Amino acid sequence: DAKTTQPNSMESNEEEPVHLPCNHSTISGTDYIHWYRQLPSQGPEYVIHGLTSNVNNRMASLAIAEDRKSSTLILHRATLRDAAVYYCILRGFQGGSEKLVFGKGTKLTVNP
Amino acid sequence: DGGITQSPKYLFRKEGQNVTLSCEQNLNHDAMYWYRQDPGQGLRLIYYSQIVNDFQKGDIAEGYSVSREKKESFPLTVTSAQKNPTAFYLCASSSGRGATDTQYFGPGTRLTVL
Repeated sequence: DAKTTQPNSMESNEEEPVHLPCNHSTISGTDYIHWYRQLPSQGPEYVIHGLTSNVNNRMASLAIAEDRKSSTLILHRATLRDAAVYYCILRGFQGGSEKLVFGKGTKLTVNP
Repeated sequence: DGGITQSPKYLFRKEGQNVTLSCEQNLNHDAMYWYRQDPGQGLRLIYYSQIVNDFQKGDIAEGYSVSREKKESFPLTVTSAQKNPTAFYLCASSSGRGATDTQYFGPGTRLTVL
């Protein structure tokens, strides 16, 4: 199964940009890269996803390397509410069944 | 409001007892999932169901059982065979349209075995 690797933790200051990296060197050609985040004692929430091109939405941007072996979630201006664990996830179909692989997640601390 | 509900929020059980965690969704989603999360760890997939009356094992299915008799409901039973059941359990659903769809998570049930 494809796996993802993320740093255990990162720290940022409020109002500054944050770049959260994810390595997925064994990604297959049909795997999508999804990002979710989880606040303490809550269920994760969707942030963004992409396949090959960079993606933007109201929450964040996703930059995908040309070889697709890594990606970066970008929070343009971190706020205290962005403090959470961020998960990089590969999603695809393999042999007709759902493939769901979670990384360990990066705990983001945002300093005021 | 549309969403996923899990009950109860906190659950205590004695060793050797089976316990069933509830998960209901009114999003009209075909696919539903159960995950387990241990302190400081990521999510691990227990079971998932892509359609009513069908489900597949995830990475850590041993000691758990599920049923999917209705589209809206996907209960998880933690059996006495599960050796270390104390954890945070999360249910999710998605449209089931494949690798691009989004999973919506419930608030979770925290199970403690006494």
